[in-house]
Amino acid sequence: QVQLVQSGAEVKKPGASVKVSCKASGYTFTTYYMHWVRQAPGQGLEWMGIINTSGGSTSYAQKFHGRVTVTRDTSTATVYMELSSLRSEDTAVYYCARGDRAGVRWGSSDYWGQGTLVTVSS
Amino acid sequence: EIVLTQSPGTLSLSPGERATLSCRASQSVSSSYLAWYQQKSGQAPRLLIYGASSRATGIPDRFSGSGSGTDFTLTISRLEPEDVAVYYCQQYGSSVTFGPGTKVDIK
Repeated sequence: QVQLVQSGAEVKKPGASVKVSCKASGYTFTTYYMHWVRQAPGQGLEWMGIINTSGGSTSYAQKFHGRVTVTRDTSTATVYMELSSLRSEDTAVYYCARGDRAGVRWGSSDYWGQGTLVTVSS
Repeated sequence: EIVLTQSPGTLSLSPGERATLSCRASQSVSSSYLAWYQQKSGQAPRLLIYGASSRATGIPDRFSGSGSGTDFTLTISRLEPEDVAVYYCQQYGSSVTFGPGTKVDIK
C-alpha cells in the first residue's frame, strides 16, 4: 500500500533552516510528482511547491520563492523540503502529498504524509 | 494567482440533512481542475473529489461534486456524524491554491 512517512517534529530558532523528509513506499517513486503543503495552527492549507520526482525539476509558490528548496533522492525514494530564514509565522504542520496522476504535473493529491510540526521560537 | 472563496464559513446541520458547500474562483478554473478535501481534527487531509465531480477511491456516494468555470459545489446528501470536519476546495489548473475551508458541525 502507498505510504508517505515524514520525519519527526522540529524546534528551530528564528533565522535558522529546517529540512523535512518524506519517504515514499508502495509505488514506483519516480512516476508521481510530490507536493508540499503547510498548515499553520488553526489555519487553512497553503501550497508551497512541487517536484518532478523523475527529473528533479521544481515549481514553488511565489510567496516562498528564494526560501524553499525541494529535492529528491531516487535511491531512497525520499523527498526533502528545506525552508530557510525561519520566522515565527513559519510555525506549522508541513505535509508532503503525492500527485494523483502518473506523469502529470498538476493534479490533486491522493496520498498524504502524516505531517511534521515545525515550531519556530526563540 | 487564482483565489478561491468558500461559503459558508461554518455549516451546522442535523444528521440526515443535506449539506451544500460552495467554492468560487476568482477566474475560470481550466478543465474543471477542482478538488475537494476533508480534514478531520488532528488528521491529514483526505481527497474526496477531483476533476470537479469524480469521487476518489473509497469515498461514499453520499459525497458528490459539481460545477465548472468559477462556481463549484460539494454536496453531502445525508450528513452523518463522522462527516464532522473542515472541507477545502483546491484548484490545480493554474499552479495550486486552496480555499479557506468550510467547517461542518453536527447539531
